[in-house]
Amino acid sequence: AQTVTQSQPEMSVQEAETVTLSCTYDTSESDYYLFWYKQPPSRQMILVIRQEAYKQQNATENRFSVNFQKAAKSFSLKISDSQLGDAAMYFCAYDANTGNQFYFGTGTSLTVIP
Amino acid sequence: DVKVTQSSRYLVKRTGEKVFLECVQDMDHENMFWYRQDPGLGLRLIYFSYDVKMKEKGDIPEGYSVSREKKERFSLILESASTNQTSMYLCASRVQRETQYFGPGTRLLVL
Repeated sequence: AQTVTQSQPEMSVQEAETVTLSCTYDTSESDYYLFWYKQPPSRQMILVIRQEAYKQQNATENRFSVNFQKAAKSFSLKISDSQLGDAAMYFCAYDANTGNQFYFGTGTSLTVIP
Repeated sequence: DVKVTQSSRYLVKRTGEKVFLECVQDMDHENMFWYRQDPGLGLRLIYFSYDVKMKEKGDIPEGYSVSREKKERFSLILESASTNQTSMYLCASRVQRETQYFGPGTRLLVL
C-alpha cells in the first residue's frame, strides 16, 4: 500500500515569513496526484493545492507553492508571507490514477506567531 | 460551490448503542468516503462508495457498515458503539481524479 509521511508534527512561523512543510510518499506508480489540504480549527478540510505527477512544473496558488521532486518522492508545501489565517493542520495526500482511495499523511500543525 | 453536509457536529452515545452518521452532497458526485480522524494518525479510510448501493472497505472497516441508497447520501453505521470508536468522523465526496470535498465533521463521544 502507498504511504504518505509527514515528518513534522508541529511547525511554527512568524507572521509574514515563509515556511515549508515536508511530505514524502512511497509508490511504484508513475501517474498519480498529490494534494495539500488545510484543516483550520473549525474543522472543515479544504484543498490548498493539487499537483499532477506527469506535470514537471510545480503548482502554485497565490502564496502557496509546492516543490515536487518526483524521483525523490517528495512534495513539500511552501507558504510565503504567512498570515494568521494560515494557522491550521495541513495534510498531504496521495491519489493513485487507479482506484478511488486517497492516502493521507498524519498532518502538520502550523502555528503562526504574530 | 460543492457542499457536503453531515447530520451532526457533535454526538454523545452510550456503549452498545446503534449510531447513524449521515452525509449528503449536492454535486452529483459518484464517489463518497467516510474517514475517521484521530490525533497523530491522520485520516484513515473506513469505507467508500463509487455508486449507489456499491461500497468497498477501506483500511479500518471493522465495527462499521455503510449504506448508499441514493447517490447524494452516504450513511455510516456503528452497529454497537464502543468507546474505541470515539473519534472525529469526516465525510467526503468527489468525481474521479479530482479533489475530495469534505464535510464539517462529526465529533462522536461514546461513553
